[in-house]
Amino acid sequence: QSVLTQPPSASGTPGQRVTISCSGSSSNIGSNTVNWYQQLPGTAPILLIYNNNQRPSGVPDRFSGSKSGTSASLAISGLQSEDEADFYCAAWDDSLNGPVFGGGTKLTVL
Amino acid sequence: EVQLVQSGAEVMKPGHSLRISCKGSGYSFTRHWIAWVRQMPGKGLEWMGSIYPGDSDTRYSPSFQGQVTISADESISTAYLQWSSLKASDTAMYYCARLEGMGYCTGGECSTKWFDPWGQGTLVTVSS
Repeated sequence: QSVLTQPPSASGTPGQRVTISCSGSSSNIGSNTVNWYQQLPGTAPILLIYNNNQRPSGVPDRFSGSKSGTSASLAISGLQSEDEADFYCAAWDDSLNGPVFGGGTKLTVL
Repeated sequence: EVQLVQSGAEVMKPGHSLRISCKGSGYSFTRHWIAWVRQMPGKGLEWMGSIYPGDSDTRYSPSFQGQVTISADESISTAYLQWSSLKASDTAMYYCARLEGMGYCTGGECSTKWFDPWGQGTLVTVSS
């Protein structure tokens, strides 16, 4: 069981906006920033969002992140078929003294 | 270009030892933490531990402490993950990743270092 909680699945049709939630506690999301990773089928994860809402160069602005209290969200607007992937949130956990991940959300583009 | 290149897939028998590697290039290897992350078949990502090659400071997740050993050789910009006695339950994909970010705190919030880039992964299969 993962320290951070994500819905196991999400879906949308092309062009739609989809959000993925990530719930934690005061020892992780409540006191540390959140990062998001995208894992396309059969490939290594890549960094999608860092410091709650910052996009690395090369990541389209269709992807955005936000955080409030002990929860964070990833939003994907203008959904495209190539967005089909697993998405993971991560944050430092002060109790573990290390990074923790969410269980991952499988995004399906219908 | 910053890059991490991992060693190839391994098929091993239970009880055997194994060391897999992760070679960094395109940046100062000694100045960034390197982490190892496990992904069991069909499952999510788990942080195993990290090492700072500059002084070999190593941290382990409680779940992996005593189960694996993380090391680094700064002279060849390579980090390692090793097992002394493999189990079938060690079958998984293992990723290395560079930890980036300043780790500063401001306004009651601290910046979590992020994993970037990731290696391509090393598949370890343990079967009799």
